[in-house]
Amino acid sequence: AQKVTQAQTEISVVEKEDVTLDCVYETRDTTYYLFWYKQPPSGELVFLIRRNSFDEQNEISGRYSWNFQKSTSSFNFTITASQVVDSAVYFCALSDADSNYQLIWGAGTKLIIKP
Amino acid sequence: DVKVTQSSRYLVKRTGEKVFLECVQDMDHENMFWYRQDPGLGLRLIYFSYDVKMKEKGDIPEGYSVSREKKERFSLILESASTNQTSMYLCASTLPLNTEAFFGQGTRLTVV
Repeated sequence: AQKVTQAQTEISVVEKEDVTLDCVYETRDTTYYLFWYKQPPSGELVFLIRRNSFDEQNEISGRYSWNFQKSTSSFNFTITASQVVDSAVYFCALSDADSNYQLIWGAGTKLIIKP
Repeated sequence: DVKVTQSSRYLVKRTGEKVFLECVQDMDHENMFWYRQDPGLGLRLIYFSYDVKMKEKGDIPEGYSVSREKKERFSLILESASTNQTSMYLCASTLPLNTEAFFGQGTRLTVV
């Protein structure tokens, strides 16, 4: 069965530090999609990235980067030079044919950036 | 910009009341979803709808029903609210299922 594990329940760092949020997934499908969402204190989830299983290139968007490694079934998210505005809960999610492309969610990682 | 709007940010209801949570999206998306979010459990799918008048049960449909009479509106109904339904409820919509989901701001429901 599909599963997404975010082992870090909460991470706290000081502003300007780099931080990596881990995401490990399980699926039997060869075609699947991985997502990251951010949920700031306001509550609304905001889409950050979608990656399909055939594209293992790492992605960088400003201070955000994602490392997709099929060999370890991981899709980790790194924030470089963190800022207080990065404080949020971050969710990793998976969709595949087995789940009829419904999103399977990790439990989320609460990131606290201290000034 | 896609907008998903939930009718209430905060709601307090009594046990046994019938509760309606409304969600409206303005981008003609076929798929709409209701999730509940509880600490440590992530998001759990209650119901989803892939077309008007169509609905499918998610992982935790018990105690809930839904209505989708118009494409833009998806309502979640708690027939008889119970304290274990105290939670954050999130509505979302998408075009194809494996694409980006757009979320509403959430409704924090407290049942007393």
